[in-house]
Amino acid sequence: GQNIDQPTEMTATEGAIVQINCTYQTSGFNGLFWYQQHAGEAPTFLSYNVLDGLEEKGRFSSFLSRSKGYSYLLLKELQMKDSASYLCAVRLTYNTDKLIFGTGTRLQVFP
Amino acid sequence: DADVTQTPRNRITKTGKRIMLECSQTKGHDRMYWYRQDPGLGLRLIYYSFDVKDINKGEISDGYSVSRQAQAKFSLSLESAIPNQTALYFCATRTGTRGSNEQFFGPGTRLTVL
Repeated sequence: GQNIDQPTEMTATEGAIVQINCTYQTSGFNGLFWYQQHAGEAPTFLSYNVLDGLEEKGRFSSFLSRSKGYSYLLLKELQMKDSASYLCAVRLTYNTDKLIFGTGTRLQVFP
Repeated sequence: DADVTQTPRNRITKTGKRIMLECSQTKGHDRMYWYRQDPGLGLRLIYYSFDVKDINKGEISDGYSVSRQAQAKFSLSLESAIPNQTALYFCATRTGTRGSNEQFFGPGTRLTVL
């Protein structure tokens, strides 16, 4: 079976840094994705990691360790608009292009 | 603007009714996907299509069928709706170009089966 684990909820303060973790145990691996989803809206793409290491994109960074089956999303200089759910997803193989999503982490940012 | 659209945005129906959810895209992408989202379960893949003649089952295809009428259109049908198909349904697209990985999601259809 496929298993992706994320914390259900997190809270943080405006201006702070927060790290959202994701662990996975899947039958295949061809990349890990992070998506942001505001309540009632469509998910939007944040990052993609297929090799070990850190990918930085503005205030957001994503890290991957394939040997540990572990990723995290780091959000810096938090803003109120960052309050959303963050979805971790694993692509099993490139050819099938199937994504397996975690249940998401709901982040609330307080003033 | 190039976009992914879904119709209807909201639908309430009764058990046993046939329902069709439509997805259209102007991105020129080859690949299209249907997902459902349930609280506590995350997004789950129902069907996906790499082109008009290529349809594939996802994790949870039972009770659903799809039609890829054209490159830009991908419809999801519930032949006989049941209450546990109440969910938020998303269509997504992706280019088949190697090196491009992002899926673009439509705004979603909220379906309630009574």
